[in-house]
Amino acid sequence: KAGVTQTPRYLIKTRGQQVTLSCSPISGHRSVSWYQQTPGQGLQFLFEYFSETQRNKGNFPGRFSGRQFSNSRSEMNVSTLELGDSALYLCASSPATGGLGNTEAFFGQGTRLTVV
Amino acid sequence: DAKTTQPPSMDCAEGRAANLPCNHSTISGNEYVYWYRQIHSQGPQYIIHGLKNNETNEMASLIITEDRKSSTLILPHATLRDTAVYYCIVRVDGGNTGKLIFGQGTTLQVKP
Repeated sequence: KAGVTQTPRYLIKTRGQQVTLSCSPISGHRSVSWYQQTPGQGLQFLFEYFSETQRNKGNFPGRFSGRQFSNSRSEMNVSTLELGDSALYLCASSPATGGLGNTEAFFGQGTRLTVV
Repeated sequence: DAKTTQPPSMDCAEGRAANLPCNHSTISGNEYVYWYRQIHSQGPQYIIHGLKNNETNEMASLIITEDRKSSTLILPHATLRDTAVYYCIVRVDGGNTGKLIFGQGTTLQVKP
């Protein structure tokens, strides 16, 4: 079974630009969650999508948005980039369809975003 | 979700057992204890989870105290490849969410 795939792996953007990151979950997984990891704040939950609907949201400004497609692939978008958005962005997929044994999250390798 | 407290760092000799503690004194009756680890520059990896009984799998053992206010992750024979940041997370199970709230974790350094 293929793991979680995130593209691109590395990205350099300029302040003010926007960026779109992609995540392909494990086949059959309907939940995709996004996380931001920085040295200062650690791993922080951004949002979760399940069956094309946002199900949970973390405490991030509206510049951070996402969506999920019918095949469960997900994208996250950051508009008007700031220097502080430089981070490792991680995506995780899980079945999350209810019931015990369906809660393990599998993470991708992440996208390293650098804003200059 | 309940908050967890972990020591920021620990050392362990290669081949010895690594015992990583976690305090979760405000855990609720329906919250599970999860452990993940993150090896440098990789995504976190699931290790184990449990409710109140001790659990064991091919990677580790999880010991939860009777009052459930703390737990210990045990790596029975640590190797250099077990050097990582270990996260203890408590959350309601039921499989209805993929959301995880990470703390600062414990950086485990396995030394030869």
